[in-house]
Amino acid sequence: EPEVTQTPSHQVTQMGQEVILRCVPISNHLYFYWYRQILGQKVEFLVSFYNNEISEKSEIFDDQFSVERPDGSNFTLKIRSTKLEDSAMYFCASSDRDGGPIYEQYFGPGTRLTVT
Amino acid sequence: AQSVTQLDSHVSVSEGTPVLLRCNYSSSYSPSLFWYVQHPNKGLQLLLKYTSAATLVKGINGFEAEFKKSETSFHLTKPSAHMSDAAEYFCVVSPTDGQNFVFGPGTRLSVLP
Repeated sequence: EPEVTQTPSHQVTQMGQEVILRCVPISNHLYFYWYRQILGQKVEFLVSFYNNEISEKSEIFDDQFSVERPDGSNFTLKIRSTKLEDSAMYFCASSDRDGGPIYEQYFGPGTRLTVT
Repeated sequence: AQSVTQLDSHVSVSEGTPVLLRCNYSSSYSPSLFWYVQHPNKGLQLLLKYTSAATLVKGINGFEAEFKKSETSFHLTKPSAHMSDAAEYFCVVSPTDGQNFVFGPGTRLSVLP
């Protein structure tokens, strides 16, 4: 069964450093998403991406964040200058129209980002 | 705007007894509703989804949920809990066109032997 994969599973970085989190969505999907979950808190939407552009973003997704689909398979989230409060689990998801209005999102296993 | 309330942050049941995890939502659209499960150190797995075809939705691992529009609820149930059901459960609402998901705060299910 196809699945969303994410690398690395755990990333430790120092405050102020740039990090790139990588995701490989399911191959025939067209919509891509990033969410984050700070430890002990709920999962929060960051951004959605379709047709090579951001379709929606939350207040969390400020100028420090960017997303890119550099080739036909990868979908990346870049944090330009990490802050301590960026420490969280980051989930990638993808979805595709299944013939109806409901898009089920398939989630990857997550990347745990620790900023020290 | 949409929101999701999960009334219980923690539910504890004995193995073999029924499970009820409550979810209420608010949405200005006809929503789509999902339940996801997160086992420790694992990703989010879809349990079931409401697609407006039937109000009683059956999912994996014996779980089911009933959509009640009049009560704006989508409670998750299972007749008999198993030890492997111990996990965090998230109720999720999305507008009809399936854009960004709004997650509830989650309910941690403990299953006692």
